[in-house]
Amino acid sequence: GENVGLHLPTLSVQEGDNSIINCAYSNSASDYFIWYKQESGKGPQFIIDIRSNMDKRQGQRVTVLLNKTVKHLSLQIAATQPGDSAVYFCAEGESGATNKLIFGTGTLLAVQP
Amino acid sequence: GAGVSQSPSNKVTEKGKDVELRCDPISGHTALYWYRQRLGQGLEFLIYFQGNSAPDKSGLPSDRFSAERTGESVSTLTIQRTQQEDSAVYLCASRFRFASDTYNEQFFGPGTRLTVL
Repeated sequence: GENVGLHLPTLSVQEGDNSIINCAYSNSASDYFIWYKQESGKGPQFIIDIRSNMDKRQGQRVTVLLNKTVKHLSLQIAATQPGDSAVYFCAEGESGATNKLIFGTGTLLAVQP
Repeated sequence: GAGVSQSPSNKVTEKGKDVELRCDPISGHTALYWYRQRLGQGLEFLIYFQGNSAPDKSGLPSDRFSAERTGESVSTLTIQRTQQEDSAVYLCASRFRFASDTYNEQFFGPGTRLTVL
C-alpha cells in the first residue's frame, strides 16, 4: 500500500465540540464498513459498522455516514471527550470467504480539554 | 479468556534471527487474522485462517513469513531471517462466524511490537 510515512492526518478539537473524521475507500465491491478506535499501545477497538445498503447508522454519541457514489465514509462523534483521543481507522470489507478488512491510514483525534 | 491475547507483548531481535509470535483467539471464534502495522500507518492484512479451509496467505510480504493455526485455537506467526523493515506491531484478530453471515466484527488483540536491530 501507499506509504504515508509517520505523519498521520490530525484533527484537533475542543472538548465538547463535535468531531467529523473522514475516510475514502477504494473497493466498489466492499459491502460493509467499520470504524475502529486505536489508543496508544492497544489493538483497534470496534466502534460502529455500516452495511452498503444503508447510508447512515447511529450509535451512542457516534454516527457513521456512507456515500457510495463518491466512496466516502465519515464518523461523527458528538460532544467529544478527552477519552475520545485516539487514532481512528476506517476499514472496508467484502462479505465472502475471507472477510478480510482493508484499513485506511488513520486519523489522529486530539481532544483539547 | 475474555479477549484475544498475544505474546510476547514486545520482542527485540537481531537482524537475521527468526521470531515466533503467538495469538490466542477468543474461544469459539472460527476465523483468525494476522495484520501488520508499521509506525504511524494503517493495518496491512497478512493471513487469514478459517476452520479447516486452506488459509488465505495473499498478504504475506515474502516467503520469510509463515503462519500456522492449530484447529480453531492458537496461531503462530513466524518470521525467518528478520530484517529491519520487519519492525512493526503485529496484530491478531478473531471473528465469530464466517461466510455469508452479517456479523463481521473482528476482535483485536493488543499486538506484539517487534523491533529488529
